[in-house]
Amino acid sequence: DTGVSQDPRHKITKRGQNVTFRCDPISEHNRLYWYRQTLGQGPEFLTYFQNEAQLEKSRLLSDRFSAERPKGSFSTLEIQRTEQGDSAMYLCASSLATSTGELFFGEGSRLTVL
Amino acid sequence: GNSVTQMEGPVTLSEEAFLTINCTYTATGYPSLFWYVQYPGEGLQLLLKATKADDKGSNKGFEATYRKETTSFHLEKGSVQVSDSAVYFCALNLLTGGGNKLTFGTGTQLKVEL
Repeated sequence: DTGVSQDPRHKITKRGQNVTFRCDPISEHNRLYWYRQTLGQGPEFLTYFQNEAQLEKSRLLSDRFSAERPKGSFSTLEIQRTEQGDSAMYLCASSLATSTGELFFGEGSRLTVL
Repeated sequence: GNSVTQMEGPVTLSEEAFLTINCTYTATGYPSLFWYVQYPGEGLQLLLKATKADDKGSNKGFEATYRKETTSFHLEKGSVQVSDSAVYFCALNLLTGGGNKLTFGTGTQLKVEL
């Protein structure tokens, strides 16, 4: 399968713990995006990378959140000191830099903070 | 700011019925417009798009026309099938400053019954 893959698919953690999600984009895509989706809402933009450079971060991305894409391939999203309000589906997507809005999404990583 | 408003769901239809899912937008510029679909257990995928006023996007029997005068991008299908049951998201992209920071609506769940 050559689509966007995310791991883990589900994560249950206790408040205050750190969690990390991984995203492997489509190999030829140089842009990678993270979105967050809560129940009954559409996805909300968090951040995006072009190659290894993080070009933009949403104000939704508090300082407890950090994303990296060290070699311009896979990316990680870490949430430190998780809070119950962090419970959501974290979506990764990738695209070519020339894309005019067609993103290829993974199936998401669902986080539950108890 | 930019926003997308969709009709609330769930929308329940009988097979072969006509489908309309309303979508209106607010944007500070001239956005590209999209419909994404999420089938059960799968990631979001692009269904169709339109990049300028009066463009019609179409795919899999679905259509939507970019109406600048009414700031709308309603999704239609003449005859739905059970396999069309999914959540449909309307989205816009302003393509300003690079990136593809899509702004999504809240999604409309469609259920098609035999």
